[in-house]
Amino acid sequence: DGGITQSPKYLFRKEGQNVTLSCEQNLNHDAMYWYRQDPGQGLRLIYYSQIVNDFQKGDIAEGYSVSREKKESFPLTVTSAQKNPTAFYLCASSIGLAGATDTQYFGPGTRLTVL
Amino acid sequence: AQKVTQAQTEISVVEKEDVTLDCVYETRDTTYYLFWYKQPPSGELVFLIRRNSFDEQNEISGRYSWNFQKSTSSFNFTITASQVVDSAVYFCALSEFQGFQKLVFGTGTRLLVSP
Repeated sequence: DGGITQSPKYLFRKEGQNVTLSCEQNLNHDAMYWYRQDPGQGLRLIYYSQIVNDFQKGDIAEGYSVSREKKESFPLTVTSAQKNPTAFYLCASSIGLAGATDTQYFGPGTRLTVL
Repeated sequence: AQKVTQAQTEISVVEKEDVTLDCVYETRDTTYYLFWYKQPPSGELVFLIRRNSFDEQNEISGRYSWNFQKSTSSFNFTITASQVVDSAVYFCALSEFQGFQKLVFGTGTRLLVSP
């Protein structure tokens, strides 16, 4: 089955630790995205990548880092510099069509809690 | 700047009632796309529909229908004969092209369908 997987489903972090959230897709999509969701809010874009070995900051990139070494993988590291990391993190991917016509498909999410 | 407003924070209905979720958007682009996603309690965002700005025809898919009105910048979503399985948070999103496809999300409407 084609789809997007995220792991782990739940993650607990102590203050001062870096943690890495995994996102893998087997849809052969070029573009991948990371979003953060806080209670009662919409999704906010952290980072995006349109192609392997390239990625760009989104609206709230501070305290986060990413890599895109393989087409199917786009891991997100939440660093100790992120002041309020407790949130639900969603990864998405899309074909990578030019223009606004692309459709993004989402993974099941990772819920990160800072203890 | 692009903006999506979902004024209804939470709606409660009884099974078999019809319900309409409102979505109002702001954009200066002439070409754009609108989306609806469903987020069930499991957390994954499920794609429901994509509509481009040049197609104002209403769309029906089973019990779901969408009404796109450019004159009022609205893209409302109606569920006919609601069911308990429709309980979820529904997000409306606007797509704009900024060198990549950026989705601007509303804050979501939580729909509770009781038996």
